[in-house]
Amino acid sequence: GAVVSQHPSRVICKSGTSVKIECRSLDFQATTMFWYRQFPKQSLMLMATSNEGSKATYEQGVEKDKFLINHASLTLSTLTVTSAHPEDSSFYICSAPHYLNTEAFFGQGTRLTVV
Amino acid sequence: AQKITQTQPGMFVQEKEAVTLDCTYDTSDPSYGLFWYKQPSSGEMIFLIYQGSYDQQNATEGRYSLNFQKARKSANLVISASQLGDSAMYFCAMREGPDGNNRKLIWGLGTSLAVNP
Repeated sequence: GAVVSQHPSRVICKSGTSVKIECRSLDFQATTMFWYRQFPKQSLMLMATSNEGSKATYEQGVEKDKFLINHASLTLSTLTVTSAHPEDSSFYICSAPHYLNTEAFFGQGTRLTVV
Repeated sequence: AQKITQTQPGMFVQEKEAVTLDCTYDTSDPSYGLFWYKQPSSGEMIFLIYQGSYDQQNATEGRYSLNFQKARKSANLVISASQLGDSAMYFCAMREGPDGNNRKLIWGLGTSLAVNP
């Protein structure tokens, strides 16, 4: 089946630094990528939708200057958390829809800890 | 108003028994799709089953079946013969609009299932 590879799986960074998370579609072209944030024991919260070759669409309340999303090719979408702070610590996960949108393929997730 | 409602924050089931996880949805769109995902403690999201609004039969995938009651707007997940490895969070989600669009999924709050030996 289709695979989305997400890296890194875990990252610890110092407050004030930036962290880049990559999601690659390995055997299909992902024209759309959804980026989620998830707090412990909570549901997925959609942060933004990226479309290849165009600007990402951010959900209400998500700071676009803090969470930079780039979808430069049909196989790669990136999320950069800029000037990270401890409150940005969370689980981030990406997802690309099947072409019929009858399934969503997820990356493995990235557990970000900002110290 | 919540579009996906999962009313059971936590459920327990005895190993080898069947369990039903509830999901109700709300949409005015005649075309939509309903999904169930499993999330173990590792965090990965595992696709379980999909039901399209126009599908005549309830979806089944191995031990998973979706009890789709369109008039009641419910899409309950039934897991038969529970296994210890079924212990996880289970999320119900909905996509509004027909198959093939790239619309986002709307997620429920999830149900934590614990399978007892």
